[in-house]
Amino acid sequence: DGGITQSPKYLFRKEGQNVTLSCEQNLNHDAMYWYRQDPGQGLRLIYYSHIVNDFQKGDIAEGYSVSREKKESFPLTVTSAQKNPTAFYLCASRHSGGPGELFFGEGSRLTVL
Amino acid sequence: QQQVKQSPQSLIVQKGGISIINCAYENTAFDYFPWYQQFPGKGPALLIAIRPDVSEKKEGRFTISFNKSAKQFSLHIMDSQPGDSATYFCAASREGSARQLTFGSGTQLTVLP
Repeated sequence: DGGITQSPKYLFRKEGQNVTLSCEQNLNHDAMYWYRQDPGQGLRLIYYSHIVNDFQKGDIAEGYSVSREKKESFPLTVTSAQKNPTAFYLCASRHSGGPGELFFGEGSRLTVL
Repeated sequence: QQQVKQSPQSLIVQKGGISIINCAYENTAFDYFPWYQQFPGKGPALLIAIRPDVSEKKEGRFTISFNKSAKQFSLHIMDSQPGDSATYFCAASREGSARQLTFGSGTQLTVLP
């Protein structure tokens, strides 16, 4: 079945460590996005990419990094520079061009101990 | 100007009742207004969407009402069911800016049996 796979589902990290969240899609979508979800704040855009080897900062990119070496993959690294990394992270994708449905993965919950 | 304001933050409705969630926006360049539904521990999924050239769109028990002059849109859930209990997000996007979706802060709906 086509969809978006995020891993791990749960992740615990000590302060000062970098962690990488995986996002893979087999929907043949050009555009991929990373959102952060905190209670009462909706979804905030971290990074997005519309084409391989190109990506743009979203509203809250500080302390995060991404890569887009393959169309199917868009991993997110939460670096030690991110001051408050505990959150629910959502990866999404859609076809480029025009408004269209955004398909989400099931999310990764990161907890910093 | 990018903000989408959503209310109420939480809503409790009896089974069979009507649930109403409201959103307001400032940016008149927005031209696509989707609603997403999210169950606990899952990613959001598209519920229904509207373009500003129509004032209402209905899909089953779900209706979007759109008021372009007031820059407001709302989701109505008729005959609400316990299975509708979820968090609902309104969103908006415009041409350019990679068609990023700007999300409201979410409404947690509880439908009592």
